Amino acid sequence: GENVEQHPSTLSVQEGDSAVIKCTYSDSASNYFPWYKQELGKGPQLIIDIRSNVGEKKDQRIAVTLNKTAKHFSLHITETQPEDSAVYFCAAFRSRSTLTFGKGTMLLVSP
Amino acid sequence: GAVVSQHPSRVICKSGTSVKIECRSLDFQATTMFWYRQFPKKSLMLMATSNEGSKATYEQGVEKDKFLINHASLTLSTLTVTSAHPEDSSFYICSARPAANEKLFFGSGTQLSVL
Repeated sequence: GENVEQHPSTLSVQEGDSAVIKCTYSDSASNYFPWYKQELGKGPQLIIDIRSNVGEKKDQRIAVTLNKTAKHFSLHITETQPEDSAVYFCAAFRSRSTLTFGKGTMLLVSP
Repeated sequence: GAVVSQHPSRVICKSGTSVKIECRSLDFQATTMFWYRQFPKKSLMLMATSNEGSKATYEQGVEKDKFLINHASLTLSTLTVTSAHPEDSSFYICSARPAANEKLFFGSGTQLSVL
């Protein structure tokens, strides 16, 4: 089955800095890669996603890049703000299967 | 994005009682819903896939008689934790996928505490 590795497990940055979270996947048939933000005591919220036919996608301060050959994808957050502090999960999906999640990254943005 | 509503958000019950958690897709129909369990500071663990009008598919190691899932309509799935024990205490989250769309949307979760 699919295996998703996510790094780092914790990330501390100063407000205004950039944050990068990286994930690798094992199943070359995976073709959809979402990122979720989970605040304490809440369910995960879909913040951005990318399909395998696209190399990069951006939405305001958030961007995701995908390298199919290397089977890795990354989340980039620029100009971080304290409200970006949360746990971020990457995931990989292939047709007729379920989402496989990474173990999560706790992002702490200090004012 | 699509909205998935989950209730209750928090429940405390006595050991041996049963608890029902509801998951509704508010603005789309979901032929498939998913139930996850999450321990503190851990990732989401898929428990079962709920299919409208048919039996749920449980992941290995999940007791189907303890975690009863009913998906009676295209917008509602329920998870009943039967004869709950303290070890069942956890954060339970449902999710739903609009038909033929990979995007998966999550409910707000239910914190279950069994005393």
